[in-house]
Amino acid sequence: DADVTQTPRNRITKTGKRIMLECSQTKGHDRMYWYRQDPGLGLRLIYYSFDVKDINKGEISDGYSVSRQAQAKFSLSLESAIPNQTALYFCATSDPEQSNEKLFFGSGTQLSVL
Amino acid sequence: GESVGLHLPTLSVQEGDNSIINCAYSNSASDYFIWYKQESGKGPQFIIDIRSNMDKRQGQRVTVLLNKTVKHLSLQIAATQPGDSAVYFCAETYNTDKLIFGTGTRLQVFP
Repeated sequence: DADVTQTPRNRITKTGKRIMLECSQTKGHDRMYWYRQDPGLGLRLIYYSFDVKDINKGEISDGYSVSRQAQAKFSLSLESAIPNQTALYFCATSDPEQSNEKLFFGSGTQLSVL
Repeated sequence: GESVGLHLPTLSVQEGDNSIINCAYSNSASDYFIWYKQESGKGPQFIIDIRSNMDKRQGQRVTVLLNKTVKHLSLQIAATQPGDSAVYFCAETYNTDKLIFGTGTRLQVFP
């Protein structure tokens, strides 16, 4: 079983729709992250959370929101999806007891906004 | 090496040869570096890391070299295998701040 699970794996939606991407982890890590990957641009940080009561913006948070429902769950929402949010989205976790820079990634959610 | 734009640089190597993937990082103050491997349809996976107080670190079939003078990082894969085919990313961070990822290099291994 995957330690970091993202659902759905693929989603096609229309402009203006509200979309939620979900992430759950069984690693017991406090820190969770949402990244976006676009061809040729690498991974860019959207939001991150160091514990259940902590939410922080990353470099490209506009148009997104997050919710940390529990230590194991971190969801990403697009309130009103637009085509340039078409991308591959990754959730990741880290453990500051080991190395908070070392990330463990889920398998990704491919989102297409038409 | 790294690139800007839509097309990933690609390294093509023959099975059994050694591969060298390069990365030019941006922040001279960065003190920790990681290499990730991303196979098709999967999330990035940790390969090896190195701190700035070292210039070389070896793992199983992989070696990372760090040249702080020219802000250059490389990943060497010995005896490259078909299973090594993937996109490889370097990442840097300073003082346990957030990771900054490079744009990636695609490694293709042919028989």
